[in-house]
Amino acid sequence: NAGVTQTPKFRVLKTGQSMTLLCAQDMNHEYMYWYRQDPGMGLRLIHYSVGEGTTAKGEVPDGYNVSRLKKQNFLLGLESAAPSQTSVYFCASRKTAGLAGGAKLLADTQYFGPGTRLTVL
Amino acid sequence: QKEVEQDPGPLSVPEGAIVSLNCTYSNSAFQYFMWYRQYSRKGPELLMYTYSSGNKEDGRFTAQVDKSSKYISLFIRDSQPSDSATYLCAMRGGSGTYKYIFGTGTRLKVLA
Repeated sequence: NAGVTQTPKFRVLKTGQSMTLLCAQDMNHEYMYWYRQDPGMGLRLIHYSVGEGTTAKGEVPDGYNVSRLKKQNFLLGLESAAPSQTSVYFCASRKTAGLAGGAKLLADTQYFGPGTRLTVL
Repeated sequence: QKEVEQDPGPLSVPEGAIVSLNCTYSNSAFQYFMWYRQYSRKGPELLMYTYSSGNKEDGRFTAQVDKSSKYISLFIRDSQPSDSATYLCAMRGGSGTYKYIFGTGTRLKVLA
């Protein structure tokens, strides 16, 4: 299993350009998340999905859009990039909840991808 | 005020020391508490997971949750240079909640 993969690993954009970040997981997880990580700010949730075809806003959704057309993929789009979107972006996936005993640990574990470093000039 | 507060460090300790990392939170609805470890230029990985109040031990690591004080801790015994990383606390509400709130992370360096 590859786990959670992210494409691309690095990208430099100019202000106003658009791009899509791809997250793929091969663990058949229901939930997927997009976070951004900035110095002194920790991980902040951008958007998340609780299943194929569903998306919801997180803490900092402005300037981003997402789609979950296939269960294994979660795409994050920047329509018009701004310097404030310079960050490291992490995708994560998680199994559904509702399990008992030791399985609950696995169900609550978020598996993170390696990150995408984005710079907007 | 942030929902979760975590001292950013950096924290430098000699090899073999006991390390104490802490987070405070304000939302009494949080029920699930986690500690993630993040090595430089990598994604976070789950280290410890606790439900409600109490202690949980796994090898050299102990997680404590005090819901009455809204305070969680991670203790690392016999710290090793390989423990050098950023440690993030995270928490979420009860069943049916999907969002995790993360602390800002504490950078730990264990000196050989």
